[in-house]
Amino acid sequence: ELKVEQNPLFLSMQEGKNYTIYCNYSTTSDRLYWYRQDPGKSLESLFVLLSNGAVKQEGRLMASLDTKARLSTLHITAAVHDLSATYFCAVNFGNEKLTFGTGTRLTIIP
Amino acid sequence: KAGVTQTPRYLIKTRGQQVTLSCSPISGHRSVSWYQQTPGQGLQFLFEYFSETQRNKGNFPGRFSGRQFSNSRSEMNVSTLELGDSALYLCASSSQGGDTNEKLFFGSGTQLSVL
Repeated sequence: ELKVEQNPLFLSMQEGKNYTIYCNYSTTSDRLYWYRQDPGKSLESLFVLLSNGAVKQEGRLMASLDTKARLSTLHITAAVHDLSATYFCAVNFGNEKLTFGTGTRLTIIP
Repeated sequence: KAGVTQTPRYLIKTRGQQVTLSCSPISGHRSVSWYQQTPGQGLQFLFEYFSETQRNKGNFPGRFSGRQFSNSRSEMNVSTLELGDSALYLCASSSQGGDTNEKLFFGSGTQLSVL
């Protein structure tokens, strides 16, 4: 079965702290995507990771991909309130569609 | 460049009715995918269209159908609505879609409530 699991499901962080969201998937893939969703809004593409060892950074967010471990991480550095959102990872298993993780609802507390 | 446009933004229907949702992709994009988002099941793939042809379909009953027009605009239809069809329906477009490395651009979604 093609599965994508994220943890944690919920995360409350204080401003200024660092944390990591984990995304595990069940079967070989080298195409992984991270999206952000604000309440009542659509999905915004954050990162596209297309090879083992790929690392992408944008502002306080950094994503990496380890295809051998079937693991991607989204690292948040010195969190700020604007980063409060739900973050999804999604995997293309080569079947022409995306399989999404459960999402991680991130709340940044002042 | 205009983004992906979905209409209507909100819909309220009753059980047994049918509904049609519309999606206009980004200009030049030929692939349109549909996803259903619910609190319980998360984001699930419905189907994908490219050049008016359905290329892939998710695990949804036949009550869910779609089509794509020659201008790449897409519609999805749900017949004989059930309470469990209440969800946010998201449309996404990309240039080629399918088995490529492209990222998807999502619309704002249609929030469907079935009473």
